[in-house]
Amino acid sequence: GQSLEQPSEVTAVEGAIVQINCTYQTSGFYGLSWYQQHDGGAPTFLSYNALDGLEETGRFSSFLSRSDSYGYLLLQELQMKDSASYFCVLNQAGTALIFGKGTTLSVSS
Amino acid sequence: DVKVTQSSRYLVKRTGEKVFLECVQDMDHENMFWYRQDPGLGLRLIYFSYDVKMKEKGDIPEGYSVSREKKERFSLILESASTNQTSMYLCASSSPLAGGHEQYFGPGTRLTVT
Repeated sequence: GQSLEQPSEVTAVEGAIVQINCTYQTSGFYGLSWYQQHDGGAPTFLSYNALDGLEETGRFSSFLSRSDSYGYLLLQELQMKDSASYFCVLNQAGTALIFGKGTTLSVSS
Repeated sequence: DVKVTQSSRYLVKRTGEKVFLECVQDMDHENMFWYRQDPGLGLRLIYFSYDVKMKEKGDIPEGYSVSREKKERFSLILESASTNQTSMYLCASSSPLAGGHEQYFGPGTRLTVT
């Protein structure tokens, strides 16, 4: 089967950098995605890594290492509005997504 | 602006009732999905559909069925609601042409079964 592991909670202060790690087990997948969900809101897509390496989108970066079955989401210059849950997601067969249990990020001033 | 809408934001039903949750997307996406989200468990896939009248079981299909008669509409049916189906239900859609990794979610329906 497939599984993803990520920390349940992370705390940080405004302006800091935080890294949310994700390890996974799967027999095969197309890529690793990250989604953000604010409390009471819908999940929204943040980034996708099809290949090993770093993808940067503004203050957010995502990394994938297939050989280590590992990825991470890096959030820089943290803002209060970044307080949310972050999910690492396996993209299988190009359509079905397997979600991790999510990491709740709390940003304080 | 892409949009996925769900018929109700909040719903309260009694045990044993038949429940319909409706989802409509305006992006002409082939793929549509139903998830349930429970605290500490993340999102779990119930059913998905690649095309009209096509459906595939996800990880937790028991107690649910789906219907996709039109491309833009995907319905989730609880044949006989039970209290363990109290949850947040999220609908999503995606395009296989774009890789399928970016799913667009509706606002969710919080269902309470009493």
